[in-house]
Amino acid sequence: DAGVIQSPRHEVTEMGQEVTLRCKPISGHNSLFWYRQTMMRGLELLIYFNNNVPIDDSGMPEDRFSAKMPNASFSTLKIQPSEPRDSAVYFCASRRDSGYGYTFGSGTRLTVV
Amino acid sequence: EDQVTQSPEALRLQEGESSSLNCSYTVSGLRGLFWYRQDPGKGPEFLFTLYSAGEEKEKERLKATLTKKESFLHITAPKPEDSATYLCAVQGGGSEKLVFGKGTKLTVNP
Repeated sequence: DAGVIQSPRHEVTEMGQEVTLRCKPISGHNSLFWYRQTMMRGLELLIYFNNNVPIDDSGMPEDRFSAKMPNASFSTLKIQPSEPRDSAVYFCASRRDSGYGYTFGSGTRLTVV
Repeated sequence: EDQVTQSPEALRLQEGESSSLNCSYTVSGLRGLFWYRQDPGKGPEFLFTLYSAGEEKEKERLKATLTKKESFLHITAPKPEDSATYLCAVQGGGSEKLVFGKGTKLTVNP
């Protein structure tokens, strides 16, 4: 089992550019979560999907952020246009069933200059 | 709104010096309390899930306990390799999401 796979590991981009983060969950896991981690705010849930359907996107900061899950093995988080305050580590996590712990990916460190 | 507060923010121990980390929470209908370990540059790694007050779980030098208001992560005779940030999270009723605390950064000196 390769675990949750995220790409890229690091992304440096200029303010105003579009950024796309990618995630491959563990096969057989039916829930997928996108979190953002900063020193100030810790881990914050952005959005989660259950069986590829977005369930709760109340954590998405604003319309510049969007997420999709076109199938059970792939999800994207897009920021357009990016701003310096979006700089953070973005984690994807998946889970088999409710009550089990999440399995996190290694994260994407995003720096917007 | 579900909330999790962890203390202390940082803890330095000598190798072999046992201690405890605290996780205080407020949640509507606790479905689970989770402990994770996070090493620098990596994603959080799952350690334990506790479901009801009075429950305890152990793994090597770590033991997690749960009451109706808080959870403790007890570290017995820690080693330098136990150095990491330990995160606590809760899942409330009616939701699949976990709400995380900001973590306790543990440093164990040899």
